[in-house]
Amino acid sequence: DAGVIQSPRHEVTEMGQEVTLRCKPISGHNSLFWYRQTMMRGLELLIYFNNNVPIDDSGMPEDRFSAKMPNASFSTLKIQPSEPRDSAVYFCASSEVQGAFRETQYFGPGTRLLVL
Amino acid sequence: GQNIDQPTEMTATEGAIVQINCTYQTSGFNGLFWYQQHAGEAPTFLSYNVLDGLEEKGRFSSFLSRSKGYSYLLLKELQMKDSASYLCASSGGYQKVTFGTGTKLQVIP
Repeated sequence: DAGVIQSPRHEVTEMGQEVTLRCKPISGHNSLFWYRQTMMRGLELLIYFNNNVPIDDSGMPEDRFSAKMPNASFSTLKIQPSEPRDSAVYFCASSEVQGAFRETQYFGPGTRLLVL
Repeated sequence: GQNIDQPTEMTATEGAIVQINCTYQTSGFNGLFWYQQHAGEAPTFLSYNVLDGLEEKGRFSSFLSRSKGYSYLLLKELQMKDSASYLCASSGGYQKVTFGTGTKLQVIP
């Protein structure tokens, strides 16, 4: 299995620019999660999808953040406009809703975002 | 709501045993996860407890007390490669998992 795939792995941009992060979940998984991790706040859930439908986006910081999942194998997290405080590692994770470990989440390698 | 508390840092000696505690307050609690995260890497799954008691998996064991809102991760025969952050996470609803800020464990020779 390829695991969860994220791109880009690193992103450096200037304040005000649009940033798009991409994620391909593990094939067969029907839930997808976007997290943000910083030293100060730890791992925070931004949004999660089940069967491509957003279930809970209460963690999305503000209107500058948006996420889509047009199909079962692809999701994007967009920040527009970006700000220096958005600098963090953004993880995508997926899970399947079956079996004893139905909630176990498998994480991608993360995207390290730096907004100057 | 969700609230998770775990120590920020711990240090232990190679070959020893260390216990990392976690307390949680989670509405609609389903289960408790432990993840390991090495510096610069993604979290990886260690264990998932739903019922009270101790579950052992090799050198790692995880304990849960639902009535006390308490869990711990026990690491035996510590190795240098066990130096990492250990994240406690509670599941409190359909697919919603809340992570603690993690315990950074340093294993010293």
